[in-house]
Amino acid sequence: DGGITQSPKYLFRKEGQNVTLSCEQNLNHDAMYWYRQDPGQGLRLIYYSQIVNDFQKGDIAEGYSVSREKKESFPLTVTSAQKNPTAFYLCASTWGAGGNTEAFFGQGTRLTVV
Amino acid sequence: KQEVTQIPAALSVPEGENLVLNCSFTDSAIYNLQWFRQDPGKGLTSLLLIQSSQREQTSGRLNASLDKSSGRSTLYIAASQPGDSATYLCAVTNNQGGKLIFGQGTELSVKP
Repeated sequence: DGGITQSPKYLFRKEGQNVTLSCEQNLNHDAMYWYRQDPGQGLRLIYYSQIVNDFQKGDIAEGYSVSREKKESFPLTVTSAQKNPTAFYLCASTWGAGGNTEAFFGQGTRLTVV
Repeated sequence: KQEVTQIPAALSVPEGENLVLNCSFTDSAIYNLQWFRQDPGKGLTSLLLIQSSQREQTSGRLNASLDKSSGRSTLYIAASQPGDSATYLCAVTNNQGGKLIFGQGTELSVKP
């Protein structure tokens, strides 16, 4: 089945730790995105990548980093510089990067700071 | 800056009712508008995609309309069922690529 796989489903981070969230897609999509969802604030864009080895900051990139070494993979690292990382993280992909194609989402990773 | 608003924030209806969810956006220069469904603790499921040149899309009991000039979209759900209970989100893309700009969502509860 084609789709987007995010792992892990739940992740716990201690203060000062970096953690990495995985996102893999087998849809052969060019573009991939990371969104953060907080209660009452909707979804906000963290980073996006339109092509391998290239990515751009979204609206709330501070404290996060990404890489895009393979078309299928777009991991997100939440660094210790992110002061309020507890949230639900969603990965998405689109076939094209031009804004006129359907977006598909993974099942999300819930990150909690302990 | 594009802003997307969804009203109401929450809606409770008895089973069998037809209902309308609203989505408005401030900049009419959109490429497309997409409606999603989100169950608690889950990811987003795409329901309908309306391209900027289209006026509506239908899938089963769902019908979404788009009026770019007025900056509005509606999602019509016919003969609602308890299984329709979820949060419904609309999002638009514009000339800045495939980045989605989301509304806050409408939490729908359909009572048996």
